Amino acid sequence: GDSVTQMEGPVTLSEEAFLTINCTYTATGYPSLFWYVQYPGEGLQLLLKATKADDKGSNKGFEATYRKETTSFHLEKGSVQVSDSAVYFCALSPLNAGGTSYGKLTFGQGTILTVHP
Amino acid sequence: DAGVTQSPTHLIKTRGQHVTLRCSPISGHKSVSWYQQVLGQGPQFIFQYYEKEERGRGNFPDRFSARQFPNYSSELNVNALLLGDSALYLCASSLGGRGLTEAFFGQGTRLTVV
Repeated sequence: GDSVTQMEGPVTLSEEAFLTINCTYTATGYPSLFWYVQYPGEGLQLLLKATKADDKGSNKGFEATYRKETTSFHLEKGSVQVSDSAVYFCALSPLNAGGTSYGKLTFGQGTILTVHP
Repeated sequence: DAGVTQSPTHLIKTRGQHVTLRCSPISGHKSVSWYQQVLGQGPQFIFQYYEKEERGRGNFPDRFSARQFPNYSSELNVNALLLGDSALYLCASSLGGRGLTEAFFGQGTRLTVV
């Protein structure tokens, strides 16, 4: 079945540092890939997405490139801020044989990011 | 426009009881999915409904059931509650249909079983 693996353990950075959170996936066909962010006490918010190989999703300074050859979708940001502290989830959504998506998502375990001033 | 709304926001139940959680999707969205998020883990897929039909079911026991109404709102029911059912239950709505359809999440219902 489909699965998503994120890098282990929390990430702690100083403000303005470079961020990378690794994500790899296993899926049949050509899933769409997503990064969601969850701030303390809140639900999930879509951060960025990519629908096909070599697509780059970007939003709020975050970027991720859909790499089919390495089945990866690593999240990067050049200069993090304290306000970026949150839990980040990588996820995939498959399309069935008819090209239909019902919106089902398979999530990774999440990566806690803490940014210090 | 209203986003995905879930009710109640918090709930405390006793082991063995039954609970019903409710979700109203974004207007125009025909697909609703339910997820369970245990503290410190990623959300786990429970059910998916599209056009009032069940389109997917995750690896959860039969104590979990759901339905979607003609107005596309949805209920998640859990019978015979166990302590391990304590979690944040998230509802997501999407347009569904062909091509990529993004999922938008509600704030969740925090269920505590004591």
